[in-house]
Amino acid sequence: GAGVSQSPRYKVAKRGQDVALRCDPISGHVSLFWYQQALGQGPEFLTYFQNEAQLDKSGLPSDRFFAERPEGSVSTLKIQRTQQEDSAVYLCASSDGTAFSGNTIYFGEGSWLTVV
Amino acid sequence: GENVEQHPSTLSVQEGDSAVIKCTYSDSASNYFPWYKQELGKRPQLIIDIRSNVGEKKDQRIAVTLNKTAKHFSLHITETQPEDSAVYFCAALRPGYSTLTFGKGTMLLVSP
Repeated sequence: GAGVSQSPRYKVAKRGQDVALRCDPISGHVSLFWYQQALGQGPEFLTYFQNEAQLDKSGLPSDRFFAERPEGSVSTLKIQRTQQEDSAVYLCASSDGTAFSGNTIYFGEGSWLTVV
Repeated sequence: GENVEQHPSTLSVQEGDSAVIKCTYSDSASNYFPWYKQELGKRPQLIIDIRSNVGEKKDQRIAVTLNKTAKHFSLHITETQPEDSAVYFCAALRPGYSTLTFGKGTMLLVSP
């Protein structure tokens, strides 16, 4: 595809429900990132994949958050037993370089999660 | 860890005026500084970036300056237009770390 694609674009979940957010990075991009963006704030790092390897998950806020990229392309961010504080926009981004090289990072439109 | 402070949080200018947004960072080892523009409900998009071996970079109406000694960098937009209205984020990358650290954003409003 032409850009990073995310689905669903909008998700309303009841507290306690599990959700799964999907990211299709730009084809061939080695690096994939997940960020969380609260209203009126900058993106906050969650986790980083280089191909299928999850090299950094230091930003995941709790063990309810889990991410995978099993074949080195599509990634899924899963949130178990959602809580109201999980309400945010979840941004996926990809890059054709490694995270350490400062190559341009391209963002998706985000998945807007509201937990009620 | 790295800490990026961004000012101002909101900025209102008249069309045609210049706008300046400033960021400071805490880790002197940081070496890559991108700026992103995010329109309401849209994805952040890279508008310009600068690396630590350069003091200034310009692209048409947009320029970024970097002062490594003071650990701050600034975004300059000249001849602002209403379509420049958006939230602008600065960010910094430390070598060996996976991720950019973002500032909290500046909402720029350009009035016709």
